[in-house]
Amino acid sequence: DQQVKQNSPSLSVQEGRISILNCDYTNSMFDYFLWYKKYPAEGPTFLISISSIKDKNEDGRFTVFLNKSAKHLSLHIVPSQPGDSAVYFCAASAEVGGSEKLVFGKGTKLTVNP
Amino acid sequence: DAGVIQSPRHEVTEMGQEVTLRCKPISGHNSLFWYRQTMMRGLELLIYFNNNVPIDDSGMPEDRFSAKMPNASFSTLKIQPSEPRDSAVYFCASRDRGYDYGYTFGSGTRLTVV
Repeated sequence: DQQVKQNSPSLSVQEGRISILNCDYTNSMFDYFLWYKKYPAEGPTFLISISSIKDKNEDGRFTVFLNKSAKHLSLHIVPSQPGDSAVYFCAASAEVGGSEKLVFGKGTKLTVNP
Repeated sequence: DAGVIQSPRHEVTEMGQEVTLRCKPISGHNSLFWYRQTMMRGLELLIYFNNNVPIDDSGMPEDRFSAKMPNASFSTLKIQPSEPRDSAVYFCASRDRGYDYGYTFGSGTRLTVV
């Protein structure tokens, strides 16, 4: 039972264009959402996050949108750069009974072509 | 700070052998997490510690897996006996719980059980 789903295993975008990575979740208890970026042979690195009380958070070229009613979030990268080529993981957090879990999707591999 | 340090980076072992993975979290971080990454299941949380105390080990696949955190600067994940299906990349992450939800991951240990 996958609580966080990234249905696109890969995405290819031209440099300078917008990259949109999507993520769906099923658990309404999630109250915090994060995006991580992962290069080969490295651990995931934190990119941007959003609280469930917001619908948008922006940091430079990266913007995360949250649609709670649809249980959907997306990461927009604009303009996309070749250095953005990596695997992007969506993650969701919930704290229940003092126990916190950060649940990850399976990732989307983004390729930005020069 | 050198970040989260994991050792070894790569481990190849024969089925039935004991494997020990090591993690040094970032100094001052009071939460530590062990994740496993596979193609089929993505990033799965195995266990996490707050202030050296195991909080949630529901993700540990079976009794062959055990984790310890004897002090704030060191944790181990042990598999005994190892099986080929344990082959995966194992990540350790740490977080300052009082700061934000951004976990800092190590570079991972790639385990191959033959």
